[in-house]
Amino acid sequence: QSALTQTASVSGSPGQSITISCTGTSSDVGRYKLVSWYQHHPGKAPKLIIYEDTYRPSGVSSRFSGSKSGNTASLTISGLQAEDEADYYCCSYAGHDTPYVFGTGTKVTVL
Amino acid sequence: EVQLVESGGGLVQPGGSLRLSCAASGFTFSSYAMSWVRQAPGKGLQWVSSVSASGGSSYHADSVKGRFTIARDNSKNTVYLQMHSLRVEDTAVYYCAKDLYYHGSAVDSWGQGALVTVSS
Repeated sequence: QSALTQTASVSGSPGQSITISCTGTSSDVGRYKLVSWYQHHPGKAPKLIIYEDTYRPSGVSSRFSGSKSGNTASLTISGLQAEDEADYYCCSYAGHDTPYVFGTGTKVTVL
Repeated sequence: EVQLVESGGGLVQPGGSLRLSCAASGFTFSSYAMSWVRQAPGKGLQWVSSVSASGGSSYHADSVKGRFTIARDNSKNTVYLQMHSLRVEDTAVYYCAKDLYYHGSAVDSWGQGALVTVSS
């Protein structure tokens, strides 16, 4: 199972909005409503910020939103803040024997 | 509060074995599938293995199939990852992770990670 494809890096100024894309196939992203997104600050545990394509866990800022079209999922961060600088990973269910396929990761830089 | 605490990491020679443990607390352990996810130095996250809530079913990535085994002891609220025939490319931080609802739904809790270094 190949990793999902993400843009390597995205940057933006404080207050701006950015979008990270995650491209898979009709066997994973396009087939199931089970794309999740994780924020990972180096040296810390990753944090779930979006699940089931569009849902935010309790306590996650509404500035994070998820969407999907076909085989491509997207994460939008609005009102960019300094603390949003981190690595972001998408992940998709790809069948019973492969419950998680992660994306290649996107480094978000706040200018 | 959910807590996942990994232990058992360390330095091992290629071809060697190591067992990671993850002690869980703060939730009904026996109701949730559990997984291990790793991150090699400078690389992204990679799913390694998952085990069902009962422990009756387990799943492994192709890269570790036949070498790694995931298991759990619901009486001890602990999940394990037994690693054999370790390779240099298995060097990574290994995270213990709790599934959100069911197998493959998402990972909603992560441990701090255990570093495994495979080197001669």
